[in-house]
Amino acid sequence: QKEVEQDPGPLSVPEGAIVSLNCTYSNSAFQYFMWYRQYSRKGPELLMYTYSSGNKEDGRFTAQVDKSSKYISLFIRDSQPSDSATYLCAMSAEYKLSFGAGTTVTVRA
Amino acid sequence: EAEVAQSPRYKITEKSQAVAFWCDPISGHATLYWYRQILGQGPELLVQFQDESVVDDSQLPKDRFSAERLKGVDSTLKIQPAELGDSAMYLCASRPAGTSGSGGELFFGEGSRLTVL
Repeated sequence: QKEVEQDPGPLSVPEGAIVSLNCTYSNSAFQYFMWYRQYSRKGPELLMYTYSSGNKEDGRFTAQVDKSSKYISLFIRDSQPSDSATYLCAMSAEYKLSFGAGTTVTVRA
Repeated sequence: EAEVAQSPRYKITEKSQAVAFWCDPISGHATLYWYRQILGQGPELLVQFQDESVVDDSQLPKDRFSAERLKGVDSTLKIQPAELGDSAMYLCASRPAGTSGSGGELFFGEGSRLTVL
């Protein structure tokens, strides 16, 4: 079993819909939780970063961490075609970063 | 804006040949990572450097892969001989000094896509 599990999708939604993405993990030592966005043929770029449990909002994006359930989520409100990408969850304890498989999202105009 | 530079962007090679990838991290970034990303999967760490020293190479297939960062700046990842299963995107990432023990942001390059025929 992988340390980080993420449903690869793909996920297709109409423009304006709410996109809901999530990951589960098994390593209780993880303290830092991140979401990276990766456009086709590009490297990942950091989208959201959260330390420990709680919520964090940045514009149309909301990240949630529930350490008791070992579950993290990313919500994208008012989704746009430009949000079409692969979203990777990532988490770390100390120096090592572990990634999920990524969920491919397509927002239809 | 400072970027992580990688080359080549694309490489096609035949199995049993040697291949090398180069990475130049953002200036001043002490920590450098090489990740391998197979299509449809998340990146997996191959090797991590702190300055010129290897911090973690536990997932590097050392019988065919080697990595170096001689002067603590740019880095080279080599595969010899290449196998069909090595086809993947090889990503380099860097992180500023003083953040290696935390979950701070990794800055990724655009990657080098390898196809082994």
